[in-house]
Amino acid sequence: DGGITQSPKYLFRKEGQNVTLSCEQNLNHDAMYWYRQDPGQGLRLIYYSQIVNDFQKGDIAEGYSVSREKKESFPLTVTSAQKNPTAFYLCASSSLGTRGGGEQFFGPGTRLTVL
Amino acid sequence: QKEVEQNSGPLSVPEGAIASLNCTYSDRGSQSFFWYRQYSGKSPELIMSIYSNGDKEDGRFTAQLNKASQYVSLLIRDSQPSDSATYLCAVNQAGTALIFGKGTTLSVSS
Repeated sequence: DGGITQSPKYLFRKEGQNVTLSCEQNLNHDAMYWYRQDPGQGLRLIYYSQIVNDFQKGDIAEGYSVSREKKESFPLTVTSAQKNPTAFYLCASSSLGTRGGGEQFFGPGTRLTVL
Repeated sequence: QKEVEQNSGPLSVPEGAIASLNCTYSDRGSQSFFWYRQYSGKSPELIMSIYSNGDKEDGRFTAQLNKASQYVSLLIRDSQPSDSATYLCAVNQAGTALIFGKGTTLSVSS
């Protein structure tokens, strides 16, 4: 059963804590992405990776970090430097086709709340 | 700054009508165009992709692309209450990440 999984579904963080969001895909996709969505807003790109051990900053990378040690996995760490981390976090993956990077497919998301 | 613009809505249509959602983009080099549907509290689901000028039909959905006008649209025929959702337009160039619009909320009344 191919797809993208994210865990946990809900996450609560105290101020000053780092937390790590998991994203795993078994679609054999080369590229993986992290987005943040705030209420009434579109998706904003945090980081993306097109190959293992390489990743690029998106529009709002400050306060976040990622790693890509395996093709299937792209975890996101929300650090204490991120001042307003409460949001819905979405992971996506795609193949790298000739047409602009291919269709992106999303995981179910992680809803992070800072207490 | 590359931008994708959508009317936020809400767009309200009666059941059985045609819903028309519009999107404009700023980057003339964009090559791929996508429509996603997002139900409240859920993640986006890809419903249409289009790469060439013209129309592409899939069931009740038709995507229309006009690169000269930098315009892409989504038509939903025979709208159903289950189509009520936010529709996100996304575009990209080769080798780059998608740029998303903020979405249009569609409400279909029975």
